[in-house]
Amino acid sequence: NAGVMQNPRHLVRRRGQEARLRCSPMKGHSHVYWYRQLPEEGLKFMVYLQKENIIDESGMPKERFSAEFPKEGPSILRIQQVVRGDSAAYFCASSPSSIPNNEQFFGPGTRLTVL
Amino acid sequence: AQTVTQSQPEMSVQEAETVTLSCTYDTSESDYYLFWYKQPPSRQMILVIRQEAYKQQNATENRFSVNFQKAAKSFSLKISDSQLGDAAMYFCAYRSPSGGGADGLTFGKGTHLIIQP
Repeated sequence: NAGVMQNPRHLVRRRGQEARLRCSPMKGHSHVYWYRQLPEEGLKFMVYLQKENIIDESGMPKERFSAEFPKEGPSILRIQQVVRGDSAAYFCASSPSSIPNNEQFFGPGTRLTVL
Repeated sequence: AQTVTQSQPEMSVQEAETVTLSCTYDTSESDYYLFWYKQPPSRQMILVIRQEAYKQQNATENRFSVNFQKAAKSFSLKISDSQLGDAAMYFCAYRSPSGGGADGLTFGKGTHLIIQP
């Protein structure tokens, strides 16, 4: 059973470009969480999605950031018009249900660098 | 909003010794879940141990155990017989009961654990 897959692992963008980060949850998992980790910081929750639904986006900036988890295919975190402050590691996690004691299985992360 | 505080940016321990990493949190909820995650240099987040707040018994996973003090809102991690492979960043995390609108984990800033051979 493959773990959570994220791609690309490293992404370099110039200011003003768009960044698209992909996350394929573990097989059988329908709940996906996105987190951002700034240098020397812990992970910060951004958004929680189930298939075709955003359940909680309280941690996601209101502008330039969006997320989706379509019926088919991976979850996508999209950052439009990137700025230097968006440089961070973005982690995706998945779980089989929303039971809070369930382990969230993390992917290896995508390290975004904005030049 | 809940907050998680890890007051030790870095800890060092001799191989085979025991080390305790501290974590405190702030919440007004009575039921919640606590986790310790390990992040080695590969940056992969790995669950070490979890604790349900309604359980009085401290969780244990092999060489890893916690000291959960609910009244003090403290959740420390003890690593016994430290091994070189334990070297990593350790993050304490909090999760609310489902449906409260706070579905993600709230993480502390982490403690960098160094194992001296």
